Amino acid sequence: DIVMTQSPDSLAVSLGERATINCKSSQSVLYSSNNKNYLAWYQQKPGQPPKLLIYWASTRESGVPDRFSGSGSGTDFTLTISSLQAEDVAVYYCQQYYNTPALTFGGGTKVEIK
Amino acid sequence: QLQLQESGPGLVKPSETLSLTCTVSGGSISSSSYYWGWIRQPPGKGLEWIGSIYYSGITYYNPSLKSRVTISVDTSKNQFSLKLSSVTAADTAVYYCASYSSGVYWGQGTLVTVSS
Repeated sequence: DIVMTQSPDSLAVSLGERATINCKSSQSVLYSSNNKNYLAWYQQKPGQPPKLLIYWASTRESGVPDRFSGSGSGTDFTLTISSLQAEDVAVYYCQQYYNTPALTFGGGTKVEIK
Repeated sequence: QLQLQESGPGLVKPSETLSLTCTVSGGSISSSSYYWGWIRQPPGKGLEWIGSIYYSGITYYNPSLKSRVTISVDTSKNQFSLKLSSVTAADTAVYYCASYSSGVYWGQGTLVTVSS
């Protein structure tokens, strides 16, 4: 199993400031044959299913604001919200699909307003 | 646009079998583009992949649940189903059906409570 570890567990950021969430996988999720990282990010608000934000580690899903960006490769990844808005308060999860169909998720990071 | 909707009982007694169905619209469950799966989330906790089925009918299960899980597909109804046997309170969770390839697309989820 690939274990996904997120940090921090929670963070409080002022409106308009940058929020950074880290995700580390227990083994590389970079597939050498196509040079793609099999890593996605999701946003989950209370009472809602998770929403896909980023896939292939850095490709934004259609309709996702460009203040959300993903970076990293191999085992270390980052989700950045460049200018936090009130509607971004949520729990964020990373997920590997290198072992598709088996999926594993990080433990989640709760983002709040300071 | 692909849409998924879970249905099934919201309350199951301990030791009984949890049964849920996912109805797919906006696309065919016979598509080779996606895996069709189940993911659960206990209240206030994280996400756990339960298992999946491919259009060929091949199933894949989380090893921690494998002995209790069955996933099947009904192509005539464009549905797939989950059965989880011998449930306990630890199986209380929101159960999501999902389709995925390079990212997961989720149903709205349904809360299943295991209680007598």
